[in-house]
Amino acid sequence: QSALTQPASVSGSPGQSITISCTGTSSDVGGYDYVSWYQQYPGKAPKLMIYDVRYRPSGLSYRFSGSKSGNTASLTISGLQAEDEADYYCSSYTSSSTLVFGTGTKVTVL
Amino acid sequence: QVQLQESGPGLVKPSETLSLTCTVSGYSISSGYYWGWIRQPPGKGLEWIGSVYHSGNTYYNPSLKSRLTMSVDTSKNQFSLKLTSVTAADTAVYYCARPYSSNWNFDSWGQGTLVTVSS
Repeated sequence: QSALTQPASVSGSPGQSITISCTGTSSDVGGYDYVSWYQQYPGKAPKLMIYDVRYRPSGLSYRFSGSKSGNTASLTISGLQAEDEADYYCSSYTSSSTLVFGTGTKVTVL
Repeated sequence: QVQLQESGPGLVKPSETLSLTCTVSGYSISSGYYWGWIRQPPGKGLEWIGSVYHSGNTYYNPSLKSRLTMSVDTSKNQFSLKLTSVTAADTAVYYCARPYSSNWNFDSWGQGTLVTVSS
């Protein structure tokens, strides 16, 4: 199975909004609403930020939101803060009953 | 509060078997969905290895399936993985993770354990 495609890097200034894309196929992202997003700091375990395309786990900041259109899912971070600088990964269930992760995006706060 | 802890050798020789155990505390592995293993080679992205249910049912990454076995010990609240015939490409930080709202997302992760394949 091929990794989902994400931009290698995205940057923004504090207070701005940025969007990270996650492109797959109709056999994964486009076919199911089982897209998740994870935040990972260097040397740390990933943290679930969004599940089932658009839902936030309890206690997570409202600044993080998810959506999907066709075969592409998106994570938007609004009101960008220095603490948002991290790597972000999407994942999706696939038609083969497996899970596939995205290639990862490094977010830089300018 | 749930905690997950990976354990196993940090160094494995090429062609040998990598064995890891995840011990879960504060939550029963007999609850809910399939528990996951994910790995991350140094400096690279995340790769799903597979997931296991408390009954022993499994889902495996097709690229690893021929070398992979996952199991559960509910009496010890643990689940394990064995990966045979390892090569340097299997060098990675290995994470175990708890499912959240389905089999396909994970809200609690172990700290990760680095396994190096080298002679």
